[in-house]
Amino acid sequence: EAQVTQNPRYLITVTGKKLTVTCSQNMNHEYMSWYRQDPGLGLRQIYYSMNVEVTDKGDVPEGYKVSRKEKRNFPLILESPSPNQTSLYFCASTLQGSSYNEQFFGPGTRLTVL
Amino acid sequence: QKEVEQNSGPLSVPEGAIASLNCTYSDRGSQSFFWYRQYSGKSPELIMSIYSNGDKEDGRFTAQLNKASQYVSLLIRDSQPSDSATYLCAVYSGGGADGLTFGKGTHLIIQP
Repeated sequence: EAQVTQNPRYLITVTGKKLTVTCSQNMNHEYMSWYRQDPGLGLRQIYYSMNVEVTDKGDVPEGYKVSRKEKRNFPLILESPSPNQTSLYFCASTLQGSSYNEQFFGPGTRLTVL
Repeated sequence: QKEVEQNSGPLSVPEGAIASLNCTYSDRGSQSFFWYRQYSGKSPELIMSIYSNGDKEDGRFTAQLNKASQYVSLLIRDSQPSDSATYLCAVYSGGGADGLTFGKGTHLIIQP
């Protein structure tokens, strides 16, 4: 089954404690993205990757890091989380050249930073 | 700054009626247009895509695009309570993985 998986699905942590949210896709997609979704602000792109070892900032990259060492994985790293990073996070992947006609989202990770 | 605008709603429609959702976008060079459905707490699900002016129909859904007016709409015929969700308009302007811009979504409520 074609899918994007994220872990954990729910996480409550404290300010300053480093965390990683994993994202994996089994569709051999080149493009992967991270979004955060906040009430009244919609979906905003944090980082994206066009292929292995190729990443770039989206609209709201401050406080986040990513890496793309393998095609299937695109982890999101919060080195020192703060309460304003409390949000619902989605990973997504899409096929290169598809013009986003086939973009799949993961199930989401609800993060609370106390 | 590329912008995609949607009325946040809620838009309330009686069961069986036609729900009409609208979206405008700022980048005149935009190439592809999408409608996603998102249930509360769930991930967005792609339901329609449209690339050229005119109408595109898929079951009860019809997407309409007018590039001159920079306007995209989604019609849902014979609305069902299960259609109650937030509908996100998304626009692709090219340039690779960074080219997709989302609107904030319209909350649709289908009243039984």
